[in-house]
Amino acid sequence: DAGVIQSPRHEVTEMGQEVTLRCKPISGHDYLFWYRQTMMRGLELLIYFNNNVPIDDSGMPEDRFSAKMPNASFSTLKIQPSEPRDSAVYFCASSPGAWEGETQYFGPGTRLLVL
Amino acid sequence: KQEVTQIPAALSVPEGENLVLNCSFTDSAIYNLQWFRQDPGKGLTSLLLIQSSQREQTSGRLNASLDKSSGRSTLYIAASQPGDSATYLCAVAGTNAGKSTFGDGTTLTVKP
Repeated sequence: DAGVIQSPRHEVTEMGQEVTLRCKPISGHDYLFWYRQTMMRGLELLIYFNNNVPIDDSGMPEDRFSAKMPNASFSTLKIQPSEPRDSAVYFCASSPGAWEGETQYFGPGTRLLVL
Repeated sequence: KQEVTQIPAALSVPEGENLVLNCSFTDSAIYNLQWFRQDPGKGLTSLLLIQSSQREQTSGRLNASLDKSSGRSTLYIAASQPGDSATYLCAVAGTNAGKSTFGDGTTLTVKP
């Protein structure tokens, strides 16, 4: 398998613009996680899905952030409107677990810069 | 709320030395603990996962231990190599929600 695939790898946008990050999990994995990593706050879980259903979105910073998983092979994280403080590396991870907390496989990340 | 701390934040050792990285957590009611490696500009790679019922896991030159009662885990790296240079993060999965809380990591530099 190619591993977790994320696109784009880098994104530069201006404040107020909509940003859409994409993720393709490893085939057969039941769990999908979205994380954000910054120097100030470290690695934070934003939301995770089980079998395409959002389970916990308590980490989503505010209503400007939304995530969807329309099918088992695709997920999006959208920021609308974007702000400079959203600049970070966004990681997608997937897990094969039949229960929560099993080994997670991370994608390479999307480095977002909001000017 | 679970808090995960990793000390030291950075560590520099000469090649060949054995070393220990530390991870402490505040809530001992965990499901598992996982150690990851992150290279600059890259994603995280899982190294070892210890279930709450286990005391340790080994993979090659790596050995991770878990002491739930004291809220501590260690990652032991034997005979360190320059290729081991990276940031090492520990992540603790809670029993109620299963989501993981990450430490800030220890950045390891192994000098040739």
